[in-house]
Amino acid sequence: SQQGEEDPQALSIQEGENATMNCSYKTSINNLQWYRQNSGRGLVHLILIRSNEREKHSGRLRVTLDTSKKSSSLLITASRAADTASYFCATPSGNTPLVFGKGTRLSVIA
Amino acid sequence: GAVVSQHPSWVICKSGTSVKIECRSLDFQATTMFWYRQFPKQSLMLMATSNEGSKATYEQGVEKDKFLINHASLTLSTLTVTSAHPEDSSFYICSAPTGVLEQYFGPGTRLTVT
Repeated sequence: SQQGEEDPQALSIQEGENATMNCSYKTSINNLQWYRQNSGRGLVHLILIRSNEREKHSGRLRVTLDTSKKSSSLLITASRAADTASYFCATPSGNTPLVFGKGTRLSVIA
Repeated sequence: GAVVSQHPSWVICKSGTSVKIECRSLDFQATTMFWYRQFPKQSLMLMATSNEGSKATYEQGVEKDKFLINHASLTLSTLTVTSAHPEDSSFYICSAPTGVLEQYFGPGTRLTVT
């Protein structure tokens, strides 16, 4: 299993602002996934970016991947209070379990 | 997209009783499922790997006799917390890989032991 480490650990922004969080990993990957977890709830799969992709968009989400730096970033544009959650990255490989970092706790203040 | 369900979504039980949590893959088959536990304000920690047709494998420090896992079919895995104690109160989440690229998580089960 592979682990992603998110940065920063906590981020507080005003509604309407953009939020950027980063993920670093250690070994080669097939793909990288971002998840969201609202407090006390399960994980929601947000977006998957494959190792041969550099950027991917989904609604207000923009993910970049730099395999040379072993890093990825998640940008949430025009943030809303409902975006308040913890965000995790993970790098699954076959039928191996995901190992999560501590995540980035995003607080969007209305 | 692939969906994984869990039942129940929350449960309160008395100390000493046993609780069963189900994890189902609704539109795909999963020979492997993973069980995680998450304590408040902490990350998910892998507890065990559930394997259809064979015994589950447990992570270090997880008591296999306390957390019984049965992968009954290609779409169902169950986690039974036996003789539950207050310290077992936690958020339990399962996941199932769809193949090489993706895993999907259940919504989680919040267990409170009084």
